[in-house]
Amino acid sequence: EDKVVQSPLSLVVHEGDTVTLNCSYEVTNFRSLLWYKQEKKAPTFLFMLTSSGIEKKSGRLSSILDKKELFSILNITATQTGDSAVYLCAVEGGYQKVTFGTGTKLQVIP
Amino acid sequence: SQTIHQWPATLVQPVGSPLSLECTVEGTSNPNLYWYRQAAGRGLQLLFYSVGIGQISSEVPQNLSASRPQDRQFILSSKKLLLSDSGFYLCAWSVDGDTEAFFGQGTRLTVV
Repeated sequence: EDKVVQSPLSLVVHEGDTVTLNCSYEVTNFRSLLWYKQEKKAPTFLFMLTSSGIEKKSGRLSSILDKKELFSILNITATQTGDSAVYLCAVEGGYQKVTFGTGTKLQVIP
Repeated sequence: SQTIHQWPATLVQPVGSPLSLECTVEGTSNPNLYWYRQAAGRGLQLLFYSVGIGQISSEVPQNLSASRPQDRQFILSSKKLLLSDSGFYLCAWSVDGDTEAFFGQGTRLTVV
């Protein structure tokens, strides 16, 4: 059975801090790993990663995949209160099946 | 541009009643369509996906069914709701062969 595990489950930081969110996975026929930001219950897409060692970057967010060790990290630098959300990691395996982790709840306090 | 509509946003239904949630996509053709459920502490669980009209794949055995009567319409149904069907349901679409998925706003279903 495909599995995605995210850590930590929740995190509280102060504005300006840097955070690292972790995602490890076990999946048959890996195709890609995706990160989503979930606010108000509807996830929005952040990154899709398919190759090891290539960092994807969007503003203060960046992510990298390690296909050998089967994990990915999502970094957020100079956090803002608007970054508060649940961050979901998902992995696509065979037959386009996507498995989600339970998410990391990030709270950024002023 | 592509948009996805999902309704209703909130629904309270008694046990044993039927269910119909609808999802439509605009601005694209032949999308892959998905129904997910988010249960507390379990993340998003894929319920059904469809790669074309009338083609439905079920991921987990359950009290729900899905249908795709038109290319850009995906319906989640139940003949008799159970208390355990309560949860948050998300519809999503993706381009065939592309795993990036775009989500609807979701439906909060409470079965009482």
